[in-house]
Amino acid sequence: KAGVTQTPRYLIKTRGQQVTLSCSPISGHRSVSWYQQTPGQGLQFLFEYFSETQRNKGNFPGRFSGRQFSNSRSEMNVSTLELGDSALYLCASSNRDPNEKLFFGSGTQLSVL
Amino acid sequence: AQSVTQLGSHVSVSEGALVLLRCNYSSSVPPYLFWYVQYPNQGLQLLLKYTSAATLVKGINGFEAEFKKSETSFHLTKPSAHMSDAAEYFCAVSEGNSGYSTLTFGKGTMLLVSP
Repeated sequence: KAGVTQTPRYLIKTRGQQVTLSCSPISGHRSVSWYQQTPGQGLQFLFEYFSETQRNKGNFPGRFSGRQFSNSRSEMNVSTLELGDSALYLCASSNRDPNEKLFFGSGTQLSVL
Repeated sequence: AQSVTQLGSHVSVSEGALVLLRCNYSSSVPPYLFWYVQYPNQGLQLLLKYTSAATLVKGINGFEAEFKKSETSFHLTKPSAHMSDAAEYFCAVSEGNSGYSTLTFGKGTMLLVSP
């Protein structure tokens, strides 16, 4: 069974640009969550999508957005990039069952220059 | 609001010694509690989780954690450290009513294991 797949693995952008990151969940999982990891702030929850609907949202500006497709794949978009957006972006998938666990991808390392 | 505090950004132990990583949480409702491990350039791997069943939770790789409600703690232990345990460890809390997939993480503790 394939794990959570995030693409691309590395990205370099400049300030003001926008970026789209992709996440393919484990087959059968309908929930996809996104997290930002930085040395200063640690791991912070961005948002969760379930059945193509945003179910929960963290405390991030509107420049951060996401969506989920009918096949449960998810994308997150960051517009008007700032230097502080440089981070590892992690995606996690689950079937939202408390008896199951959250599976994380290896992340996309975004560097904003 | 829920929060997690991990005491010590770095913990150093010798191979074979006891590992103790501390985690305290705050939550307005009975929480779900987790420990994750992250190896360099990788995502997070679940070590163990507490979901209101037994207070002593056994996880993978010989790790275990004990939920102590009176102390609001969920410390991670392993009797004998191995070199392969060197990694960063994160404690996390989820309030069931806010979504099982919505985790609040601690800042992490880097475990260093010396021979």
